Amino acid sequence: EAQVTQNPRYLITVTGKKLTVTCSQNMNHEYMSWYRQDPGLGLRQIYYSMNVEVTDKGDVPEGYKVSRKEKRNFPLILESPSPNQTSLYFCASSLGGAAPQHFGDGTRLSIL
Amino acid sequence: AQSVTQLDSQVPVFEEAPVELRCNYSSSVSVYLFWYVQYPNQGLQLLLKYLSGSTLVKGINGFEAEFNKSQTSFHLRKPSVHISDTAEYFCAVGALDYQGGSEKLVFGKGTKLTVNP
Repeated sequence: EAQVTQNPRYLITVTGKKLTVTCSQNMNHEYMSWYRQDPGLGLRQIYYSMNVEVTDKGDVPEGYKVSRKEKRNFPLILESPSPNQTSLYFCASSLGGAAPQHFGDGTRLSIL
Repeated sequence: AQSVTQLDSQVPVFEEAPVELRCNYSSSVSVYLFWYVQYPNQGLQLLLKYLSGSTLVKGINGFEAEFNKSQTSFHLRKPSVHISDTAEYFCAVGALDYQGGSEKLVFGKGTKLTVNP
């Protein structure tokens, strides 16, 4: 079954404590991306990757890092989380092109 | 850069009634357009997409959308909705960023469709 898997699904943590949200896809897709969803703001792209070792900033990259060492994995790293990064995060993938074909189920982060 | 406006943040309708969710976009280059649906506590699913060709696009679950270039619109329609269509719907517009050589996709803020019995 085609899947984008994110972990964890829920996380409550404190300001400044580094965290990583993992994302893995089993479809051999080249394009992967991270979005955050906030009420009334829709989805905003954080980072995207067009292939292994190729990443670029989206619209709201501040405070986030990513890496793409393998095609299937695209982790999102918050080195020093702050309360304004409390949000619902989605990882997505597509075979080619920016329009996501598959989304993960989301990770709800609360940073106190 | 492109932008998307979803004109209604909430749309309540009765079961079996028709519905139209409105989406307008702006862009200085050719675009491609998408509608996604998000059911409660789930990720987004691609409903339909317009890349080129016929301006009337049919998607899953009986939805369709019409690309209107002169009005820069891509409204989503369904002739008869079900309770199970209750969800949030997102319009998105993509375009090639000629400067950076990459594709950019921008989402609208969403329309919550509530289907009442």
